[in-house]
Amino acid sequence: KQEVTQIPAALSVPEGENLVLNCSFTDSAIYNLQWFRQDPGKGLTSLLLIQSSQREQTSGRLNASLDKSSGRSTLYIAASQPGDSATYLCAVRPETTDSWGKLQFGAGTQVVVTP
Amino acid sequence: SQTIHQWPATLVQPVGSPLSLECTVEGTSNPNLYWYRQAAGRGLQLLFYSVGIGQISSEVPQNLSASRPQDRQFILSSKKLLLSDSGFYLCAWSPIGLAGGPWELRRGYTFGSGTRLTVV
Repeated sequence: KQEVTQIPAALSVPEGENLVLNCSFTDSAIYNLQWFRQDPGKGLTSLLLIQSSQREQTSGRLNASLDKSSGRSTLYIAASQPGDSATYLCAVRPETTDSWGKLQFGAGTQVVVTP
Repeated sequence: SQTIHQWPATLVQPVGSPLSLECTVEGTSNPNLYWYRQAAGRGLQLLFYSVGIGQISSEVPQNLSASRPQDRQFILSSKKLLLSDSGFYLCAWSPIGLAGGPWELRRGYTFGSGTRLTVV
């Protein structure tokens, strides 16, 4: 059974520092890995989607890497801002024989960026 | 572009009352649809998923049910709410349906804005 772990569970950094969020998964048979952001009381916003054949994806200050063989992904957020404060979730889409490929989520990392 | 709508945003219901949450998707056809629940301090739990009209699969036995009366409409219901049904309910879609293949499995999920349900 696929298990997804996110470390640390919480992180507090001063504004301007780079953020490093880790995600690990136990089964490397995945189609893709997706990073989401969740603000308090809100839905999930997709940040980056990395296919199993890719090593990294970038969007603005965000960069996500994927090492499928070792079951790890890292989300880097450069020059953090108070507006980056949120919970960050990673999710993997396992390779399955059926057509739905249900996401497996980590518990999330709660990030606070202090001014 | 594709959009997903979920309502209501917040709901306070007494124990034993019925529930109906609605989710609709625009700009795509034949999507996979999902209902997730996020309880306080806990992760996301998949409740139901659907690959087509009238086709519902349940992940967790509970007091809830789901229906898909139209291709892009997904409804979460309960006949009698329990206190333990309180939580944050999220609808999501992914671009794969009955005819989906490996390429479509490489697309991501899109989530709605959620419904905060408090059972009192």
